[in-house]
Amino acid sequence: QSVLTQPPSASGTPGQRVTISCSGSSSNIGSNTVNWYQQLPGTAPKLLIYSNNQRPSGVPDRFSGSKSGTSASLAISGLQSEDEADYYCAAWDDSLNAPVFGGGTKLTVL
Amino acid sequence: QVQLVQSGAEVKKPGASVKVSCKASGYTFTSYGISWVRQAPGQGLEWMGWISAYNGNTNYAQKLQGRVTMTTDTSTSTAYMELRSLRSDDTAVYYCARNGEYSSSLFDYWGQGTLVTVSS
Repeated sequence: QSVLTQPPSASGTPGQRVTISCSGSSSNIGSNTVNWYQQLPGTAPKLLIYSNNQRPSGVPDRFSGSKSGTSASLAISGLQSEDEADYYCAAWDDSLNAPVFGGGTKLTVL
Repeated sequence: QVQLVQSGAEVKKPGASVKVSCKASGYTFTSYGISWVRQAPGQGLEWMGWISAYNGNTNYAQKLQGRVTMTTDTSTSTAYMELRSLRSDDTAVYYCARNGEYSSSLFDYWGQGTLVTVSS
């Protein structure tokens, strides 16, 4: 059981916009920034969004992040086949004194 | 360019120990920390702990306290993670990831992963 809650799956067709939610509590998302990671099949995770809505160099602007209260969202617009991957949210948890992850969302491009 | 290169796959028997290495390059090793994150087959990501490459301070996940030790060798820019008293549910891919000077949820570069299989 992950501390942060994500839907296990999401899907969309090429060109569509999809969003992935991440729900937490006051001790994690409510008081700290959220980071998102993309894990393509058989590879290591990669930083996708940091500090709620910042993109590292090289990440397309099709990817965007937002946070409100104790929830965060990752949006992917102009969906492409290469976006098919697992997506994880993460945040620091003040009560656990540790970073916590969501359970991951498997995105399928139909 | 920043790179984290991990040691190769390991097969261990229950009760044994494993030590995984993570060699860093492309940045000033002592200006950052290293976290270790593992992923059991078909499962999500689990943070194991963090070590400061500057002063060796550590922060371990509570469930692994007493079984895990993280160290660094600044002369070779290498971080190590040792896990003892291995059980079958320790079978996972183990990743090292660059962290800030303080433990956080921001891991900006990752190693390629090391598969550790625990089986009798």
